[in-house]
Amino acid sequence: AQKITQTQPGMFVQEKEAVTLDCTYDTSDPSYGLFWYKQPSSGEMIFLIYQGSYDQQNATEGRYSLNFQKARKSANLVISASQLGDSAMYFCAMREGYMDSNYQLIWGAGTKLIIKP
Amino acid sequence: DSGVTQTPKHLITATGQRVTLRCSPRSGDLSVYWYQQSLDQGLQFLIQYYNGEERAKGNILERFSAQQFPDLHSELNLSSLELGDSALYFCASSEAGGDTDTQYFGPGTRLTVL
Repeated sequence: AQKITQTQPGMFVQEKEAVTLDCTYDTSDPSYGLFWYKQPSSGEMIFLIYQGSYDQQNATEGRYSLNFQKARKSANLVISASQLGDSAMYFCAMREGYMDSNYQLIWGAGTKLIIKP
Repeated sequence: DSGVTQTPKHLITATGQRVTLRCSPRSGDLSVYWYQQSLDQGLQFLIQYYNGEERAKGNILERFSAQQFPDLHSELNLSSLELGDSALYFCASSEAGGDTDTQYFGPGTRLTVL
């Protein structure tokens, strides 16, 4: 079973609009972390935002915020006032808790976001 | 710039050959992770080192090996290369390898096996 599901393979959004990228996850571990990364066409992987399973508030980092709905096991990324430079692949990733000290990230398939001028 | 460096940026080689990819973590980071990104498999975790010791192993083939040196840089060795090994190989580093640690990625090494 998929542990991280990103249901939107691709999205087109008009510049300056807000965009929500979906991510649902599956874990039975009470302790986990959720991450969003951006991969532009140049290839590098850029960390955007982190949400811990015990965090009381939704994470925010500048124009990025994470809509964390624990009961629904969803961690959607919201980008406000999108810019042309936001065009990229976006990956949702999860790290489960202290299982044999295994801190690997489990990745979704990604969403390709294209911002239209 | 994440502070993680990887060399080389591009590598083209032939089947059956052996290559070494190098990674220098961010200053102060003790943990290094290696990932493979291919078109058909997506992002796959290969292996993690913490302060010189192997901490976790993922989908790493037996033909692949890695190590972390006393100065904390890491090398990923790929041998008996096959066409299917063509991929983008990322190194990431984090401070302590703990549950809330954030992994910062290097620019990647693009390996092409001909």
